[in-house]
Amino acid sequence: GAVVSQHPSWVICKSGTSVKIECRSLDFQATTMFWYRQFPKQSLMLMATSNEGSKATYEQGVEKDKFLINHASLTLSTLTVTSAHPEDSSFYICSATSDRGHEQYFGPGTRLTVT
Amino acid sequence: AQKVTQVQTEISVVEKEDVTLDCVYETRDTTYYLFWYKQPPSGELVFLIRRNSFDEQNEISGRYSWNFQKSTSSFNFTITASQVVDSAVYFCAPRDNTGTASKLTFGTGTRLQVTL
Repeated sequence: GAVVSQHPSWVICKSGTSVKIECRSLDFQATTMFWYRQFPKQSLMLMATSNEGSKATYEQGVEKDKFLINHASLTLSTLTVTSAHPEDSSFYICSATSDRGHEQYFGPGTRLTVT
Repeated sequence: AQKVTQVQTEISVVEKEDVTLDCVYETRDTTYYLFWYKQPPSGELVFLIRRNSFDEQNEISGRYSWNFQKSTSSFNFTITASQVVDSAVYFCAPRDNTGTASKLTFGTGTRLQVTL
């Protein structure tokens, strides 16, 4: 089956610093990748959709200048949380689809804690 | 746009009991997909099933079964003879049928606790 990895699995950073999270499709080409955020005991909320080689499409209410998304290749997308604040502490999950299947394959998630 | 309601926030059962998780959705699309995912304490989402709105046949996979009723916009999930390992949060998620890059809309989830 299709495998999606995320790195790091968890990260602790200080307020005001930036953090980069990587999402990789390991055995397929991901034409589209999605980034979600999940606060404790809440559902997954889509932050943005990114297609390889083009700018990401952000959901309403998500600051594109704060959450920088780059999808430079068919196997890698990155999410950079800039000037992180404690309220950005959350579980960030990526998913990827190829142009052949219907499923979104999810990564294991990255737990971000901003102190 | 899709909307999904999972009315049960938390369910607690004793092992070997059957349990049904309800999912009601709203959509303006004539064709769409419906998904169920499991999120164990580790956090990683586990795909359980995808159902096309054209196919109203109920499906059984081991101890899992799904009842899709297009007329009532419901896609309920039943676990038979529940086990402790079934403890997780379960999400129902509709998706429109405009392509593989279409967005999933996740419900609020139902937290299932199975005890001995």
